[in-house]
Amino acid sequence: AQKVTQAQTEISVVEKEDVTLDCVYETRDTTYYLFWYKQPPSGELVFLIRRNSFDEQNEISGRYSWNFQKSTSSFNFTITASQVVDSAVYFCALSEGEGAGGGNKLTFGTGTQLKVEL
Amino acid sequence: SQTIHQWPATLVQPVGSPLSLECTVEGTSNPNLYWYRQAAGRGLQLLFYSVGIGQISSEVPQNLSASRPQDRQFILSSKKLLLSDSGFYLCALGGVASTDTQYFGPGTRLTVL
Repeated sequence: AQKVTQAQTEISVVEKEDVTLDCVYETRDTTYYLFWYKQPPSGELVFLIRRNSFDEQNEISGRYSWNFQKSTSSFNFTITASQVVDSAVYFCALSEGEGAGGGNKLTFGTGTQLKVEL
Repeated sequence: SQTIHQWPATLVQPVGSPLSLECTVEGTSNPNLYWYRQAAGRGLQLLFYSVGIGQISSEVPQNLSASRPQDRQFILSSKKLLLSDSGFYLCALGGVASTDTQYFGPGTRLTVL
């Protein structure tokens, strides 16, 4: 069965600190996709990144960077020079691929609450 | 661009009452649509998904049901709400390809008293 583990329930940092959110996954599929979503206090999930299992290149987008390591089944997310606006719950998710009736079922981790303080 | 609408934004209902939550999407045709529930513990649970009109797959059979009467409309219903149905309900839109990214609507916060 697919599983996503986000062991960090809550992280508090001071603004401008770097912070890494951990994500470890389990799957038997050889082809899969990993995602990160941000959930601000408003509640809506905001898509941040998608990575397929054949692309292990790290990615950087502004202050955000992602480290995908297949050998350790991890897909970690780093925010550099954190800001108060980064305060949110962050979810890592794994694509199960196509279900029996089509569709793409995501398995989510339990999320990490990030609090960035002044 | 694609837009997802959910109605209502918040809802307070008594135990045993019926429920109807609506999700409509714009800017796309023949999308895959999903209903998720987020309980107090923050995890998201997939409830239903639909790959087309009238096609519903259930992941967690409970006292909830879903319907897709139109291509861009997805409805979540219940005949009798339970206290455990309280939560944040999110509709998501995915592309035709099974591996497309899912984009989420603003959600409906349901409180059952």
